[in-house]
Amino acid sequence: EPEVTQTPSHQVTQMGQEVILHCVPISNHLYFYWYRQILGQKVEFLVSFYNNEISEKSEIFDDQFSVERPDGSNFTLKIRSTKLEDSAMYFCASSGTGPNTEAFFGQGTRLTVV
Amino acid sequence: AQSVTQLGSHVSVSEGALVLLRCNYSSSVPPYLFWYVQYPNQGLQLLLKYTSAATLVKGINGFEAEFKKSETSFHLTKPSAHMSDAAEYFCAVRRGSTLGRLYFGRGTQLTVWP
Repeated sequence: EPEVTQTPSHQVTQMGQEVILHCVPISNHLYFYWYRQILGQKVEFLVSFYNNEISEKSEIFDDQFSVERPDGSNFTLKIRSTKLEDSAMYFCASSGTGPNTEAFFGQGTRLTVV
Repeated sequence: AQSVTQLGSHVSVSEGALVLLRCNYSSSVPPYLFWYVQYPNQGLQLLLKYTSAATLVKGINGFEAEFKKSETSFHLTKPSAHMSDAAEYFCAVRRGSTLGRLYFGRGTQLTVWP
C-alpha cells in the first residue's frame, strides 16, 4: 500500500540551528502539506503546496519556515533558526485530486530543540 | 471559519463495551469531516470520512460515524471495543476543497480495559 515516508523519525538540534525535514509523498499525489503537533496540543496546519507553490499557509508559518519540492519525489520543510518552541512532531501529508479525497499522513518527525 | 470540538480528552471503556467519541464542528460551508486514529509512535491513519453522501459512514476496524447537521455533530462509535482500539482519535473538518486545510480537534485518548 502506498504511504508517505518521513525522515528522520527523530531529530535533535541546538537552538538557532537550521533543520530540514524530509518527506516523500505518495507518488501520484499532487497536493502536499505540513502539520505539526506540539506535545499535548492539537494538530495544527502549517502549509499546503500545489503546482510548485504555496497555496495556503497558517499564521505559524512565518519567515523562518520554508518548503521546497527539490525534485519529483521529495517535499521538504526547512526551519532556518530553530527556537525551543519549535519542538514538536511534524507531519507531512499528501492527497490526490478530486473533492472526496483525503490526506494521507506520514509517521512524523519528532523535532527536539535544545 | 472551521473548528472542531472533541468532548472528553480521555475515554475509558471495558473490552466489549460501546465506544462513543464525541465531535462537534463549526463550519461556514458544508463540511467534509474526518476521523483519524493515531497509535503510539505512529502517524495519523484515516478511519473514515464524510463527504456529503450518506450521513452514516462506515470506516475501518468496525468504526462508524453519523453526520447530524442539526446537531453539528459527527460522533464516532463502535459497538464492541477491542483492546487493539486503544489509541488517540482525532476529529477533523475541511472546508470542502481538496486543497483545503484540515482543522483538528484536540484528540480523545481511548483506553480499553480487559
